[in-house]
Amino acid sequence: GAGVSQSPSNKVTEKGKDVELRCDPISGHTALYWYRQSLGQGLEFLIYFQGNSAPDKSGLPSDRFSAERTGGSVSTLTIQRTQQEDSAVYLCASSRTGGEKLFFGSGTQLSVL
Amino acid sequence: KNEVEQSPQNLTAQEGEFITINCSYSVGISALHWLQQHPGGGIVSLFMLSSGKKKHGRLIATINIQEKHSSLHITASHPRDSAVYICAAANYGGSQGNLIFGKGTKLSVKP
Repeated sequence: GAGVSQSPSNKVTEKGKDVELRCDPISGHTALYWYRQSLGQGLEFLIYFQGNSAPDKSGLPSDRFSAERTGGSVSTLTIQRTQQEDSAVYLCASSRTGGEKLFFGSGTQLSVL
Repeated sequence: KNEVEQSPQNLTAQEGEFITINCSYSVGISALHWLQQHPGGGIVSLFMLSSGKKKHGRLIATINIQEKHSSLHITASHPRDSAVYICAAANYGGSQGNLIFGKGTKLSVKP
């Protein structure tokens, strides 16, 4: 596609449920990034995929968070047993390769009730 | 103390003014990013630099590695420049995706 696509754009869930957020990067981009932005907080790093290398998962806040990237393209961020503090905008970005200009998706607004 | 600090937090300018936003960081970096976040929430990457100066249209970004400081300048500012500007540092010891973000500078340009 022309840009980074994220779905859903909005997700409302109940505390304790699992959610999956999807990111479709720009075709040909080998690097994919997940960040989140909480209300009143700045952006924070979650996870980084670069080609076939092991992902940098150092930003995942707890073991309830996981992400995978299938076939070097689409990525899914999964949050298990959601908590209210997980409410945030989850942003995906991609770049041609690691360390190059980032292209951001429009984000998924997650609300945990 | 945050590893990446921006100043000012808020900035109001009149159309046409020259604007400077500052970013200081305390870690060794491999690159520094300047991002623009519009009121609707979309984020656009403006610059990525590791040394010197880059220019795109009315925007100029500079970095001084020795002083651990970067600036974003906007010449002939326009109301459409109103947005939050965020700097983000790629820590030299971390992966290229592991960015440390500043809290942002909210710019409002009045006509």
